[in-house]
Amino acid sequence: AQKITQTQPGMFVQEKEAVTLDCTYDTSDPSYGLFWYKQPSSGEMIFLIYQGSYDQQNATEGRYSLNFQKARKSANLVISASQLGDSAMYFCAVNTGFQKLVFGTGTRLLVSP
Amino acid sequence: EAGVAQSPRYKIIEKRQSVAFWCNPISGHATLYWYQQILGQGPKLLIQFQNNGVVDDSQLPKDRFSAERLKGVDSTLKIQPAKLEDSAVYLCASSQGPNVGGPGNTIYFGEGSWLTVV
Repeated sequence: AQKITQTQPGMFVQEKEAVTLDCTYDTSDPSYGLFWYKQPSSGEMIFLIYQGSYDQQNATEGRYSLNFQKARKSANLVISASQLGDSAMYFCAVNTGFQKLVFGTGTRLLVSP
Repeated sequence: EAGVAQSPRYKIIEKRQSVAFWCNPISGHATLYWYQQILGQGPKLLIQFQNNGVVDDSQLPKDRFSAERLKGVDSTLKIQPAKLEDSAVYLCASSQGPNVGGPGNTIYFGEGSWLTVV
């Protein structure tokens, strides 16, 4: 079974700075996918970025990038140039093939002016 | 393109009462999911449908929870009778197919139905 660990319950960052949110995972399947979602106070889970286990390059989507270190089973999310609207909960998740998406416990990010 | 629609947004009920949540997925999405998110935790999958068939309901408390997707589109999640520990956000999500991950085939979530059991 997959397991996701997010060790940072909360993170603070100043506007315009970069921040890294940590995520480690545990799966025995050689083929898997890693996801990051953002959950604002409204409750909706917003898809941010995806990394496949066989992808050679780290995924990037605008200000979001994924620092994928396969040997360490680490998939950290980097947000560059933080904005006030980035304040939210961030969840890392993993799935293998047709199996369910398993989420971590999340990290709350607060961006200050 | 319309997103995943859920109703009601908020519901407060007494324990032992029943409640039902409705979900309309993104048009054309064959796979539908119901997740339960307890405060302070990540979402946990309750049930996954592929069209109108159940793919995974291993974590659904079947003595009190039921879900259906009769015509392969809308879905209803019911809790009867509710317990205090059922207080959570119930998130509906959908994807084009079950093997999510590549561009254009990820899981999209609704805003959730917030349930408080008193």
